[in-house]
Amino acid sequence: QTVVTQEPSFSVSPGGTVTLTCGLSSGSVSTSYYPSWYQQTPGQAPRTLIYSTNSRSSGVPNRFSGSILGNKAALTITGAQADDECDYYCVLYLGSGISIFGGGTKLTVL
Amino acid sequence: QVQLQESGPGLVKPSQTLSLTCTVSGGSIRSGGYYWSWIRQHPGKGLEWIGNIHYSGSTYYNPSLKSRLIISVDTSKNQFSLRLSSVTVADTAVYYCARIEDSGWFFDYWGQGTLVTVSS
Repeated sequence: QTVVTQEPSFSVSPGGTVTLTCGLSSGSVSTSYYPSWYQQTPGQAPRTLIYSTNSRSSGVPNRFSGSILGNKAALTITGAQADDECDYYCVLYLGSGISIFGGGTKLTVL
Repeated sequence: QVQLQESGPGLVKPSQTLSLTCTVSGGSIRSGGYYWSWIRQHPGKGLEWIGNIHYSGSTYYNPSLKSRLIISVDTSKNQFSLRLSSVTVADTAVYYCARIEDSGWFFDYWGQGTLVTVSS
């Protein structure tokens, strides 16, 4: 069974830079998995941040960026702000119409 | 601007069938290049992909739910629906509908979500 791995939690200082990662239990993440990233604040629906590895969704500030780092997909937030404190999820496309969510990363800004 | 809205009972009894509908507005469900999806989130937990449907009727299901799941589409009403049978308390979750843009295979629009509680 394929599992998508994310750091359960991460902390960043205001104004700092943080990189969250998205890996596979077996194998490497590549652009072929069309990694996408979503931001979710409590009680709200997810918001699309990044798709196709590094394309920003409409209205997303350019301090959010996506990439492949080593064998994982990555979401980098530069100049972290207080309202960036929430949950972040990655999704990988496995083909044949199947998507898998990572377990999510709870980001703390302090 | 595409909008999606989930609707359906908020309380379902164990062993019964959970039924939800997602109404799409601001765009046609028959538009090319998109699939329509259900995702759920157990209380305090992460997101789980349930399944997708194309307006043509092609479906893709999460293997862990496949035996209990039916997703259907009604293009005349611009809606798609979820039916999950033999529910247990483990199916208690917020259920979201979303649109998938299939060139990048990502969820580009989301409904606000609806809480379904399975309880007797």
